[in-house]
Amino acid sequence: GEDVEQSLFLSVREGDSSVINCTYTDSSSTYLYWYKQEPGAGLQLLTYIFSNMDMKQDQRLTVLLNKKDKHLSLRIADTQTGDSAIYFCAALPGGGATNKLIFGTGTLLAVQP
Amino acid sequence: DAMVIQNPRYQVTQFGKPVTLSCSQTLNHNVMYWYQQKSSQAPKLLFHYYDKDFNNEADTPDNFQSRRPNTSFCFLDIRSPGLGDAAMYLCATSRDRGRLTPQHFGDGTRLSIL
Repeated sequence: GEDVEQSLFLSVREGDSSVINCTYTDSSSTYLYWYKQEPGAGLQLLTYIFSNMDMKQDQRLTVLLNKKDKHLSLRIADTQTGDSAIYFCAALPGGGATNKLIFGTGTLLAVQP
Repeated sequence: DAMVIQNPRYQVTQFGKPVTLSCSQTLNHNVMYWYQQKSSQAPKLLFHYYDKDFNNEADTPDNFQSRRPNTSFCFLDIRSPGLGDAAMYLCATSRDRGRLTPQHFGDGTRLSIL
Protein backbone atom coordinates (compact mmCIF):
# COMPACT_ATOMS: atom_id res chain seq x y z
CA GLY A 1 0.00 0.00 0.00
CA GLU A 2 0.86 3.66 -0.11
CA ASP A 3 3.54 4.97 2.25
CA VAL A 4 4.07 8.70 2.75
CA GLU A 5 7.19 10.04 4.45
CA GLN A 6 8.24 13.46 5.67
CA SER A 7 11.13 14.88 7.64
CA LEU A 8 10.14 15.48 11.26
CA PHE A 9 11.36 19.01 11.93
CA LEU A 10 12.30 22.23 10.16
CA SER A 11 13.48 25.46 11.76
CA VAL A 12 13.65 28.76 9.84
CA ARG A 13 13.97 32.43 10.61
CA GLU A 14 11.07 34.81 10.12
CA GLY A 15 11.13 36.23 6.59
CA ASP A 16 13.04 33.29 5.11
CA SER A 17 11.52 30.69 2.80
CA SER A 18 10.57 27.27 4.17
CA VAL A 19 10.63 24.10 2.11
CA ILE A 20 8.88 21.02 3.47
CA ASN A 21 9.49 17.78 1.62
CA CYS A 22 7.40 14.65 1.20
CA THR A 23 7.88 11.37 -0.65
CA TYR A 24 5.27 8.77 -1.53
CA THR A 25 5.49 5.29 -2.97
CA ASP A 26 2.29 4.63 -4.92
CA SER A 27 2.47 5.99 -8.46
CA SER A 28 -1.34 5.75 -8.68
CA SER A 29 -1.60 8.56 -6.13
CA THR A 30 -2.96 11.19 -8.44
CA TYR A 31 -4.16 13.62 -5.78
CA LEU A 32 -1.76 15.05 -3.19
CA TYR A 33 -2.64 17.44 -0.38
CA TRP A 34 -0.99 19.65 2.18
CA TYR A 35 -2.67 20.22 5.52
CA LYS A 36 -1.62 22.50 8.40
CA GLN A 37 -2.31 21.65 12.04
CA GLU A 38 -1.84 24.24 14.77
CA PRO A 39 -1.51 23.08 18.41
CA GLY A 40 -4.73 21.58 19.73
CA ALA A 41 -6.61 22.19 16.48
CA GLY A 42 -7.87 20.21 13.53
CA LEU A 43 -6.36 20.02 10.07
CA GLN A 44 -6.64 22.99 7.74
CA LEU A 45 -6.48 22.24 4.03
CA LEU A 46 -3.76 24.49 2.55
CA THR A 47 -3.53 23.37 -1.05
CA TYR A 48 -3.56 20.34 -3.31
CA ILE A 49 -2.13 19.27 -6.62
CA PHE A 50 -3.03 16.72 -9.27
CA SER A 51 -0.51 14.42 -10.87
CA ASN A 52 -0.98 16.09 -14.26
CA MET A 53 0.54 19.27 -12.80
CA ASP A 54 4.18 19.99 -11.94
CA MET A 55 3.63 23.14 -9.95
CA LYS A 56 0.87 25.06 -8.26
CA GLN A 57 1.18 28.51 -6.70
CA ASP A 58 -1.27 30.05 -4.27
CA GLN A 59 -0.14 33.36 -2.73
CA ARG A 60 2.87 32.52 -0.49
CA LEU A 61 2.56 28.78 -1.10
CA THR A 62 4.20 26.90 -3.96
CA VAL A 63 3.77 23.17 -4.44
CA LEU A 64 6.22 21.28 -6.64
CA LEU A 65 5.58 17.73 -7.80
CA ASN A 66 8.22 15.43 -9.27
CA LYS A 67 6.23 12.42 -10.45
CA LYS A 68 9.28 10.49 -11.57
CA ASP A 69 10.83 10.62 -8.11
CA LYS A 70 7.44 10.64 -6.31
CA HIS A 71 8.54 13.74 -4.45
CA LEU A 72 6.33 16.60 -3.33
CA SER A 73 7.41 19.85 -1.72
CA LEU A 74 5.68 22.81 -0.13
CA ARG A 75 7.48 26.14 -0.22
CA ILE A 76 6.30 28.94 2.05
CA ALA A 77 7.67 32.33 1.03
CA ASP A 78 8.33 35.05 3.63
CA THR A 79 7.65 32.67 6.51
CA GLN A 80 5.90 34.26 9.50
CA THR A 81 5.68 33.18 13.14
CA GLY A 82 2.03 32.37 12.49
CA ASP A 83 3.18 29.68 10.08
CA SER A 84 4.60 27.67 13.00
CA ALA A 85 2.62 24.41 12.97
CA ILE A 86 2.75 20.78 11.88
CA TYR A 87 2.40 20.29 8.14
CA PHE A 88 0.99 17.01 6.82
CA CYS A 89 1.41 15.73 3.33
CA ALA A 90 -1.38 13.34 2.27
CA ALA A 91 -1.89 11.15 -0.77
CA LEU A 92 -5.06 9.72 -2.26
CA PRO A 93 -3.94 6.49 -3.93
CA GLY A 94 -5.81 4.39 -6.44
CA GLY A 95 -6.34 7.19 -8.94
CA GLY A 96 -8.96 8.71 -6.69
CA ALA A 97 -11.14 5.60 -6.72
CA THR A 98 -11.02 5.44 -2.96
CA ASN A 99 -11.22 8.30 -0.52
CA LYS A 100 -8.79 6.99 2.06
CA LEU A 101 -6.17 9.66 2.60
CA ILE A 102 -2.74 8.35 3.54
CA PHE A 103 -0.95 10.89 5.71
CA GLY A 104 2.72 11.37 6.33
CA THR A 105 3.96 11.67 9.89
CA GLY A 106 3.97 15.47 9.72
CA THR A 107 6.75 18.08 9.73
CA LEU A 108 6.96 20.46 12.65
CA LEU A 109 7.85 23.92 11.33
CA ALA A 110 9.36 26.25 13.93
CA VAL A 111 9.72 29.88 12.89
CA GLN A 112 12.25 31.87 14.89
CA PRO A 113 11.56 35.63 15.23
CA ASP B 1 -17.84 30.52 10.06
CA ALA B 2 -16.97 27.00 11.15
CA MET B 3 -18.26 24.49 8.62
CA VAL B 4 -17.35 21.26 10.41
CA ILE B 5 -18.17 21.56 14.08
CA GLN B 6 -17.12 19.09 16.72
CA ASN B 7 -18.49 18.99 20.24
CA PRO B 8 -17.20 18.99 22.83
CA ARG B 9 -13.63 20.20 22.25
CA TYR B 10 -12.46 18.30 25.32
CA GLN B 11 -14.07 15.18 26.76
CA VAL B 12 -13.07 13.28 29.86
CA THR B 13 -14.53 9.86 30.59
CA GLN B 14 -13.83 6.97 32.89
CA PHE B 15 -12.26 3.72 31.88
CA GLY B 16 -15.02 1.49 30.48
CA LYS B 17 -17.72 4.20 30.49
CA PRO B 18 -19.38 4.69 27.08
CA VAL B 19 -18.78 8.04 25.43
CA THR B 20 -20.21 9.76 22.34
CA LEU B 21 -18.50 12.43 20.27
CA SER B 22 -20.48 14.66 17.97
CA CYS B 23 -19.82 16.20 14.55
CA SER B 24 -22.04 18.46 12.47
CA GLN B 25 -21.50 20.11 9.12
CA THR B 26 -23.07 23.01 7.24
CA LEU B 27 -21.52 22.08 3.88
CA ASN B 28 -24.19 19.55 2.86
CA HIS B 29 -21.41 17.13 1.98
CA ASN B 30 -22.20 13.51 1.18
CA VAL B 31 -19.25 11.97 2.98
CA MET B 32 -18.34 12.18 6.66
CA TYR B 33 -15.21 10.65 8.17
CA TRP B 34 -13.86 9.90 11.64
CA TYR B 35 -10.12 9.86 12.28
CA GLN B 36 -8.15 9.03 15.40
CA GLN B 37 -4.94 10.96 15.99
CA LYS B 38 -2.64 9.97 18.82
CA SER B 39 0.08 12.26 20.09
CA SER B 40 2.78 13.04 17.51
CA GLN B 41 1.18 10.73 14.95
CA ALA B 42 -0.65 11.14 11.69
CA PRO B 43 -4.45 10.88 11.64
CA LYS B 44 -5.73 7.34 11.12
CA LEU B 45 -9.06 6.73 9.39
CA LEU B 46 -11.53 4.75 11.51
CA PHE B 47 -14.56 4.73 9.17
CA HIS B 48 -16.64 6.91 6.91
CA TYR B 49 -20.22 7.35 5.76
CA TYR B 50 -21.01 7.87 2.11
CA ASP B 51 -24.53 9.20 2.49
CA LYS B 52 -26.10 6.43 4.64
CA ASP B 53 -23.62 3.77 3.58
CA PHE B 54 -21.24 2.92 6.43
CA ASN B 55 -17.66 1.93 5.52
CA ASN B 56 -15.48 0.52 8.28
CA GLU B 57 -11.69 0.26 8.02
CA ALA B 58 -10.43 -3.28 8.47
CA ASP B 59 -8.30 -2.48 11.50
CA THR B 60 -10.84 -0.36 13.40
CA PRO B 61 -11.59 -2.04 16.76
CA ASP B 62 -15.16 -3.24 17.37
CA ASN B 63 -15.26 -0.91 20.36
CA PHE B 64 -15.75 1.99 17.92
CA GLN B 65 -19.14 2.55 16.32
CA SER B 66 -20.72 5.37 14.37
CA ARG B 67 -24.15 6.73 13.56
CA ARG B 68 -25.31 9.19 10.95
CA PRO B 69 -28.96 10.07 11.56
CA ASN B 70 -29.06 12.71 8.81
CA THR B 71 -26.80 14.52 6.33
CA SER B 72 -25.63 17.09 8.86
CA PHE B 73 -24.73 14.98 11.88
CA CYS B 74 -22.42 12.08 12.59
CA PHE B 75 -21.56 10.52 15.95
CA LEU B 76 -18.64 8.43 17.16
CA ASP B 77 -19.52 6.00 19.96
CA ILE B 78 -16.84 4.30 22.01
CA ARG B 79 -18.54 1.50 23.87
CA SER B 80 -15.93 0.71 26.52
CA PRO B 81 -13.04 3.17 26.35
CA GLY B 82 -9.63 1.90 27.34
CA LEU B 83 -6.57 3.93 28.22
CA GLY B 84 -5.25 3.37 24.72
CA ASP B 85 -8.24 5.21 23.25
CA ALA B 86 -7.08 8.54 24.62
CA ALA B 87 -6.47 10.64 21.52
CA MET B 88 -7.71 13.52 19.39
CA TYR B 89 -10.72 12.50 17.30
CA LEU B 90 -11.14 14.39 14.07
CA CYS B 91 -14.25 14.59 11.94
CA ALA B 92 -13.96 15.47 8.26
CA THR B 93 -16.33 15.88 5.34
CA SER B 94 -16.03 15.83 1.59
CA ARG B 95 -18.53 16.59 -1.15
CA ASP B 96 -17.99 13.22 -2.75
CA ARG B 97 -15.54 10.33 -2.70
CA GLY B 98 -12.11 10.52 -4.30
CA ARG B 99 -11.19 12.75 -7.21
CA LEU B 100 -11.47 16.49 -6.73
CA THR B 101 -13.12 16.34 -3.35
CA PRO B 102 -10.75 17.56 -0.64
CA GLN B 103 -11.57 16.62 2.92
CA HIS B 104 -12.39 19.43 5.33
CA PHE B 105 -11.69 18.88 9.01
CA GLY B 106 -13.21 20.09 12.24
CA ASP B 107 -11.11 21.25 15.19
CA GLY B 108 -11.30 17.86 16.86
CA THR B 109 -12.32 16.50 20.25
CA ARG B 110 -9.53 15.60 22.65
CA LEU B 111 -10.58 12.55 24.64
CA SER B 112 -9.00 11.73 27.99
CA ILE B 113 -9.60 8.50 29.89
CA LEU B 114 -9.36 8.40 33.68
